[in-house]
Amino acid sequence: GNSVTQMEGPVTLSEEAFLTINCTYTATGYPSLFWYVQYPGEGLQLLLKATKADDKGSNKGFEATYRKETTSFHLEKGSVQVSDSAVYFCALNSGGSNYKLTFGKGTLLTVNP
Amino acid sequence: NAGVTQTPKFQVLKTGQSMTLQCAQDMNHNSMYWYRQDPGMGLRLIYYSASEGTTDKGEVPNGYNVSRLNKREFSLRLESAAPSQTSVYFCASRLDRGNGYTFGSGTRLTVV
Repeated sequence: GNSVTQMEGPVTLSEEAFLTINCTYTATGYPSLFWYVQYPGEGLQLLLKATKADDKGSNKGFEATYRKETTSFHLEKGSVQVSDSAVYFCALNSGGSNYKLTFGKGTLLTVNP
Repeated sequence: NAGVTQTPKFQVLKTGQSMTLQCAQDMNHNSMYWYRQDPGMGLRLIYYSASEGTTDKGEVPNGYNVSRLNKREFSLRLESAAPSQTSVYFCASRLDRGNGYTFGSGTRLTVV
């Protein structure tokens, strides 16, 4: 079946540091891949997505590249801000579960001034 | 443009009580979902509705029922609440499989 594995948190960084949150997946077929962000006390928001191999999703300075050869979709940002503090979820949909997204467990990011 | 609206935002129930969580979307999305979020567990799918008139079980359906009332509305019912159902519940919708979900802001439920 489909599964998503994210790096365990929490991740604590200083402002302007470089961010990487690793995400690898197992899926049948050719999945679409997503990153969601959840700010404290809120629901999840779609951050970016990629629907085929070598696509790069980007939004708000965040980027992730769909790597089929390594089954990965790592989230990166060159210079984080305090306002980026949130929980980040990697997700996919593929194959027989086209109607449902499979989520990773989430990674808590805290950015200190 | 309201997106996905969940009511109520907070609720406290006594063990054995029943309640219905309401969800409505105004984006003409086909699929709707109910998730629960617990510390250390991520998001777990309770039930989903791929299209109007259909519902299917997710990973953790026991103790819950759902109704897809029409294309806009998808409710989640707890018939006899248990402390293990204390959680934050999220409703989501999606136009089709190529798109991501749009989430509501959640219902924080405590069962005492």
